[in-house]
Amino acid sequence: GDSVTQMEGPVTLSEEAFLTINCTYTATGYPSLFWYVQYPGEGLQLLLKATKADDKGSNKGFEATYRKETTSFHLEKGSVQVSDSAVYFCALYSGGGADGLTFGKGTHLIIQP
Amino acid sequence: GAVVSQHPSWVICKSGTSVKIECRSLDFQATTMFWYRQFPKQSLMLMATSNEGSKATYEQGVEKDKFLINHASLTLSTLTVTSAHPEDSSFYICSATLQDPLRGQYFGPGTRLTVT
Repeated sequence: GDSVTQMEGPVTLSEEAFLTINCTYTATGYPSLFWYVQYPGEGLQLLLKATKADDKGSNKGFEATYRKETTSFHLEKGSVQVSDSAVYFCALYSGGGADGLTFGKGTHLIIQP
Repeated sequence: GAVVSQHPSWVICKSGTSVKIECRSLDFQATTMFWYRQFPKQSLMLMATSNEGSKATYEQGVEKDKFLINHASLTLSTLTVTSAHPEDSSFYICSATLQDPLRGQYFGPGTRLTVT
């Protein structure tokens, strides 16, 4: 079945540091890939997505590139801010079965001033 | 943007009682809603897919008689945890999708259920 593996946290960085959160996946066919963010006390929000190989999703300074050859969708940001502190979930949609998303375990990001 | 609400945001109930959780899409119609369960420091696990006007589709290992799902309208789905036990304590999250699932899903804020 489908699965998503992402680095476990917490990840603690200083403000303006470079961020990478690794995400790899296993899926049949050609899934769509997503990053969701969950701020404290709020629901999950779609951060960015990519629907086919070599697509780059970007939003709010975050980027992730769909790499089919390495089955990866790593999240990056060049300069993080304290307000980026949240839990980040990598997810995939393969379009089969119940059509729900398959999520990674989430990575708790803590940005210190 | 698309907003999904859940009610209640947290609930404490006694073992053996039933609890109903509501999921509403506030500014759009959702033909499909999903129910997830999240354990501490764990991933979101899909429990079931709820389609308006039809029976829910449950994931393997999810007891449909214990987790009753009703999708009564295009803006409301309910999850009822029947005869709750302490092991049902968890964070329950619903989401709704527009017609194109590739646009992603819109998530509610979640409901924290504690069974004593």
